[in-house]
Amino acid sequence: SAVISQKPSRDICQRGTSLTIQCQVDSQVTMMFWYRQQPGQSLTLIATANQGSEATYESGFVIDKFPISRPNLTFSTLTVSNMSPEDSSIYLCSVEGAGRTDTQYFGPGTRLTVL
Amino acid sequence: KNQVEQSPQSLIILEGKNCTLQCNYTVSPFSNLRWYKQDTGRGPVSLTIMTFSENTKSNGRYTATLDADTKQSSLHITASQLSDSASYICVVSFGHIFGTGTRLKVLA
Repeated sequence: SAVISQKPSRDICQRGTSLTIQCQVDSQVTMMFWYRQQPGQSLTLIATANQGSEATYESGFVIDKFPISRPNLTFSTLTVSNMSPEDSSIYLCSVEGAGRTDTQYFGPGTRLTVL
Repeated sequence: KNQVEQSPQSLIILEGKNCTLQCNYTVSPFSNLRWYKQDTGRGPVSLTIMTFSENTKSNGRYTATLDADTKQSSLHITASQLSDSASYICVVSFGHIFGTGTRLKVLA
């Protein structure tokens, strides 16, 4: 299993500012995933972060808006840049166990409100 | 277009009753199908994982079925408890395609 922590747990930010969300895992993992969950909706994958390489972004998400760092095998950050109220969401990081039949573990999420 | 659709959108049942949640998908290729439980304000927690060759998987009071031919899955909850109140999300994992979830409320 994997235990994931995120910081901050929640924040209220002003339009135009940026917020960096931290994700820490208690074990070394190759791939980390960042998701967004807008109010009342399911999760949408933002990007996949591999250690030592550029993150891979899903359609509709770009690096300038959501830069990601992955400095080592247990840590990643997601920055939400130049925020607008439409960025108000829960942001979750996630890791997968080895093998395609292993489960996926999620952090508790960061609840972001942009005013 | 890869999609995962769940029904019903929401469901209210009495404690002790059984219920079945549905998931239809059009995702291809297919890696595995997962059911998650998400409590309000928390990240999803895995309930079951099924590969293409599996057609049923149980985890306590939760039983998932998969028909890969019709691209349908169901999650059956037996003898529901108040703590089962949550959103249940179906995920087809090749590409991490998440369903919109079923919000279950169990009443005493």
